Amino acid sequence: TQLLEQSPQFLSIQEGENLTVYCNSSSVFSSLQWYRQEPGEGPVLLVTVVTGGEVKKLKRLTFQFGDARKDSSLHITAAQPGDTGLYLCAGARGNEKLTFGTGTRLTIIP
Amino acid sequence: DTEVTQTPKHLVMGMTNKKSLKCEQHMGHRAMYWYKQKAKKPPELMFVYSYEKLSINESVPSRFSPECPNSSLLNLHLHALQPEDSALYLCASSQASSGGARQFFGPGTRLTVL
Repeated sequence: TQLLEQSPQFLSIQEGENLTVYCNSSSVFSSLQWYRQEPGEGPVLLVTVVTGGEVKKLKRLTFQFGDARKDSSLHITAAQPGDTGLYLCAGARGNEKLTFGTGTRLTIIP
Repeated sequence: DTEVTQTPKHLVMGMTNKKSLKCEQHMGHRAMYWYKQKAKKPPELMFVYSYEKLSINESVPSRFSPECPNSSLLNLHLHALQPEDSALYLCASSQASSGGARQFFGPGTRLTVL
């Protein structure tokens, strides 16, 4: 059973545009992580959010954890070709294993 | 050193071969993981080692055999694999094995089973 659904599954936009990726669940998570994975590489952690309603910014990337800690979003402003990759959310519930979302494959067209 | 290294980068093997994947980290992390990732899919957890002991086995077939010789090394021994086992195999490590701990991933070994 996949607990974390990401949308959209695929997204292809022009350089300079804004976009939002969603990560939704019916379960509550104690923390949620966002990773980016480039072709031929392993996932790299971008951010961890732990508090309901928390907003974190990483340059042009804004991450939000839902108030109920069941969902999260990633907003990218003025997308660049270097933002291209597979974006994965991953939720943790206490000491249980990390559960990865279904993934969003983002392509930024120059 | 915040790097997890994996060897080999690519591996092609027949269904009767025996091979091993290797993973190494020198961050002093006490938890190490093996994941399997099929194309365009998220990583799927296979095994977790905590303090060099196997703590999670996600019902992985016995043709995959993990080994943790010491706190820095993690191996995955492969024997009698099937073509559907072809995938990217990722190793990761974290300071602790709690779910929220940050995991550092290696670049993966791309395995092709003929």
